Amino acid sequence: RKEVEQDPGPFNVPEGATVAFNCTYSNSASQSFFWYRQDCRKEPKLLMSVYSSGNEDGRFTAQLNRASQYISLLIRDSKLSDSATYLCVVNAPTGNQFYFGTGTSLTVIP
Amino acid sequence: EPEVTQTPSHQVTQMGQEVILRCVPISNHLYFYWYRQILGQKVEFLVSFYNNEISEKSEIFDDQFSVERPDGSNFTLKIRSTKLEDSAMYFCASSSDGSNQPQHFGDGTRLSIL
Repeated sequence: RKEVEQDPGPFNVPEGATVAFNCTYSNSASQSFFWYRQDCRKEPKLLMSVYSSGNEDGRFTAQLNRASQYISLLIRDSKLSDSATYLCVVNAPTGNQFYFGTGTSLTVIP
Repeated sequence: EPEVTQTPSHQVTQMGQEVILRCVPISNHLYFYWYRQILGQKVEFLVSFYNNEISEKSEIFDDQFSVERPDGSNFTLKIRSTKLEDSAMYFCASSSDGSNQPQHFGDGTRLSIL
């Protein structure tokens, strides 16, 4: 089983839509979770950390479900500039090693 | 805002040659990382470095690879005897507090092995 799994998409949504991505992780002892975005041929950029209680940053909401071992990202009121690949990142229980999902591709259409 | 910087942006090398990829992490960060991303594939962890030694490494990081912090600012990845399959984007990242804090990535070095 892969350490981190994501639906690769692509998700094609109209501007203003709400879209949600899920990510599952295999090791229940993982403690740190993040969402990054990656534009084509660019470096990953931190979107947000994911906290146990869930957290929100503007139009973005992240949730963690430890019992089911998944994290989610909700994007409200999608903008054209949200078009990117969204990467789920989870740390290995040993601490200082990180696993990336394959990414979920989002295209926001005018 | 402080940045992680990487040089060169693109490196073209003959198979069998050695390459050194360079990174300057954010100045007050203590944890440093190297990742690679083969075109069209996911980002893969190579190695993490803390307190002047490797803290963790993946199966990819075999004897062909080494890392070094030769001075107070640079963090390098050396790849010996390069192979065609080493062609990828290599990202350096740093963080202030290991697994508890997010990593900040440099904009990568594209390595092309001919």
